[in-house]
Amino acid sequence: DTAVSQTPKYLVTQMGNDKSIKCEQNLGHDTMYWYKQDSKKFLKIMFSYNNKELIINETVPNRFSPKSPDKAHLNLHINSLELGDSAVYFCASSLTRGEAFFGQGTRLTVV
Amino acid sequence: DQQVKQNSPSLSVQEGRISILNCDYTNSMFDYFLWYKKYPAEGPTFLISISSIKDKNEDGRFTVFLNKSAKHLSLHIVPSQPGDSAVYFCAASATGAGSYQLTFGKGTKLSVIP
Repeated sequence: DTAVSQTPKYLVTQMGNDKSIKCEQNLGHDTMYWYKQDSKKFLKIMFSYNNKELIINETVPNRFSPKSPDKAHLNLHINSLELGDSAVYFCASSLTRGEAFFGQGTRLTVV
Repeated sequence: DQQVKQNSPSLSVQEGRISILNCDYTNSMFDYFLWYKKYPAEGPTFLISISSIKDKNEDGRFTVFLNKSAKHLSLHIVPSQPGDSAVYFCAASATGAGSYQLTFGKGTKLSVIP
């Protein structure tokens, strides 16, 4: 039973489209995150939610909007996709500080 | 501005020998450090962590050393096994409003040669 699951694993879409990536964790963690791994392989935090409230919102375009319907879910919606949005997006969750559990990643390709 | 640096993009080690992966950081507010391991097409997996109040933490074949004065940490894997071949990420966090946030290095790809 996967601890942090995100769907889809692969997403290919055209520029200008709107897409969503879903994430669910069954670990009972209070905090969930979205990280982005770009072409240079840097893993950078985008958003962090604690008990459904946004606590970190790094400098990302406002085309990216996280939605947390409950503390087990954190979805990422992206409007008007651009070529530069192509990356691998990782969802993660944690209970204690720092030791985050990651999902398998969603490879987004914008063409 | 890279606050966590892993200057070796890759490392090759013979099976059975020691692997030493290095990490440097610049932010003196970092007080908690972690190592993650990542296989292709998978998410990073937590390996081991260390608080700044310690200088060493050991878990089986994995040991992390922290030198606060040098702002340097290292991960030792002894003995190295082929299954250890992966990308290893160093990460750090600071107490405070952003204490849930991890800052990652670029990773070091470890290849353990049978």
